[in-house]
Amino acid sequence: GEDVEQSLFLSVREGDSSVINCTYTDSSSTYLYWYKQEPGAGLQLLTYIFSNMDMKQDQRLTVLLNKKDKHLSLRIADTQTGDSAIYFCAESINDYKLSFGAGTTVTVRA
Amino acid sequence: DTAVSQTPKYLVTQMGNDKSIKCEQNLGHDTMYWYKQDSKKFLKIMFSYNNKELIINETVPNRFSPKSPDKAHLNLHINSLELGDSAVYFCASSPNYSNQPQHFGDGTRLSIL
Repeated sequence: GEDVEQSLFLSVREGDSSVINCTYTDSSSTYLYWYKQEPGAGLQLLTYIFSNMDMKQDQRLTVLLNKKDKHLSLRIADTQTGDSAIYFCAESINDYKLSFGAGTTVTVRA
Repeated sequence: DTAVSQTPKYLVTQMGNDKSIKCEQNLGHDTMYWYKQDSKKFLKIMFSYNNKELIINETVPNRFSPKSPDKAHLNLHINSLELGDSAVYFCASSPNYSNQPQHFGDGTRLSIL
């Protein structure tokens, strides 16, 4: 989406950390989301962060939000082969719809 | 057990035909959505219904007509299918329309011959 930008590809070695970055434009977004899409599957909600938070941790996932720079990142610790997928960043627009980035394809190599 | 289910999973049809995709959610959510994902994986919202009422219509051609018989169902009917309609269509739902995480179905892959 033109309002949300992400790098398109990330290659990471198994066991390393992955960091996926995203920038968004709507400063009034209340929530920001990360979704995961495996091949041939739907979108799985991974995690989300409220805009008044700087960080949220959920097991191997850490979300960092820099509201001043409108920058969101997702860190996956100890990346596994099952983490290979497309990861979408999304911002809420006007409280009732999501605007998605183009998705980052993460490839985990042995 | 599937929270948001769509049927069919695959739909192959010829240009000019009319087809429907069905979506049901058992999460008790008030709001449902249709998204289109193109071949480059770009996702764009098409429609949103809250408690059976249309709240978003994102300049989608009027060949696309959503129908919500009740808040658990949002079906999508497409008339006079065109080649450019080939995509994956995702249904989603959220507790209400205000900033709630959306839960997605597995998608319907529509291919126009």
